Amino acid sequence: AQSVTQLDSQVPVFEEAPVELRCNYSSSVSVYLFWYVQYPNQGLQLLLKYLSGSTLVKGINGFEAEFNKSQTSFHLRKPSVHISDTAEYFCAVSDLRETSGSRLTFGEGTQLTVNP
Amino acid sequence: EAGVTQSPTHLIKTRGQQATLRCSPISGHTSVYWYQQALGLGLQFLLWYDEGEERNRGNFPPRFSGRQFPNYSSELNVNALELEDSALYLCASSLGAAVGGNTIYFGEGSWLTVV
Repeated sequence: AQSVTQLDSQVPVFEEAPVELRCNYSSSVSVYLFWYVQYPNQGLQLLLKYLSGSTLVKGINGFEAEFNKSQTSFHLRKPSVHISDTAEYFCAVSDLRETSGSRLTFGEGTQLTVNP
Repeated sequence: EAGVTQSPTHLIKTRGQQATLRCSPISGHTSVYWYQQALGLGLQFLLWYDEGEERNRGNFPPRFSGRQFPNYSSELNVNALELEDSALYLCASSLGAAVGGNTIYFGEGSWLTVV
């Protein structure tokens, strides 16, 4: 079984400041890693994913994340945030077992609030 | 290309009634997933269907059930509704049943309120 821990439930920042949303996971098998964003009253949108290869993954809207296998982390970063980045961000994993397909296990979410 | 579509957008039911939620996956996707997003409980996996079969099930009671039709659309049924079933129900789809890695695309969700 896997679990995902998002270390901060709320992150307030000022516009144009950098931000890091932290995510740690645990799993007995190899996993793929994802970050999704949920704007108010909407579904989830994929920001980026790590399957293999380079540990630094670039996604949409200027976000990037770095996979650190030794620390089992997949932190999300953006060098300069905008008001429009205010949303809930979810870290998720899927494992490589055939019985799971692409099923995702989610963290509890981090509410990013960007203030002017 | 149309994304994952869900209906209804909002549904209000009385405790003890049954609710049916519907989902149409992205064209070409054969896997459909259902998640429950209840206040304070995060996103919980409910069910996974692929090629018409239930492949996996989350830790939910049997009154949560569903099916997938030959055109890969799906419905989620919740029987004997309880107040704590009030939540946003998200449907998602992906290509095939390949092991992990396939991107899951989510719909906008169906809000179920039980009164």
